[in-house]
Amino acid sequence: NAGVTQTPKFQVLKTGQSMTLQCAQDMNHNSMYWYRQDPGMGLRLIYYSASEGTTDKGEVPNGYNVSRLNKREFSLRLESAAPSQTSVYFCASRREDTQYFGPGTRLTVL
Amino acid sequence: GESVGLHLPTLSVQEGDNSIINCAYSNSASDYFIWYKQESGKGPQFIIDIRSNMDKRQGQRVTVLLNKTVKHLSLQIAATQPGDSAVYFCAEKTVSGGSNYKLTFGKGTLLTVNP
Repeated sequence: NAGVTQTPKFQVLKTGQSMTLQCAQDMNHNSMYWYRQDPGMGLRLIYYSASEGTTDKGEVPNGYNVSRLNKREFSLRLESAAPSQTSVYFCASRREDTQYFGPGTRLTVL
Repeated sequence: GESVGLHLPTLSVQEGDNSIINCAYSNSASDYFIWYKQESGKGPQFIIDIRSNMDKRQGQRVTVLLNKTVKHLSLQIAATQPGDSAVYFCAEKTVSGGSNYKLTFGKGTLLTVNP
């Protein structure tokens, strides 16, 4: 039981490039989340998916899109990366009220 | 808006001492609270949780206390070990607009355990 997995672990992009961050969970959870974590800011919700087939905006959705591919997988896409999107990105899934996090993707946009 | 905050941004303790990390919350409607531990370069790890109908909950070497009167949450770590060094942050769950679940996170306290 791997829990929540994320790929890649690290990524460096140039401004304007696009990429997709992958997330998968093997706990059969319905709800999944994408957060970004910046120094002094805490975790901020980007997008979430309450169940397979649904997605909703969180606190900071601008510049991102998501896809809930199936119950296991929830991807985050940056269409045109900007330096302001340099951050650590965490995916989480939820069982009842508790969220469980993946190991994160550290993204740098130059 | 509602937010979760921490009283102390850093805490340094000696190995073997007990540690207490505090958290204040402002939303009286919050009914569930979680403590996470985040080691450097890793994702947040669930430690312990508590519901608003409880005042205290114990785990292995950890205890969470909830004081709803003053909207205060604390995490106590007994016999702190070097492996406990990490950032600890609390989160509160609120429900708005029916079943619209929301989890709000504090910024964290860095715990350093000195050998």
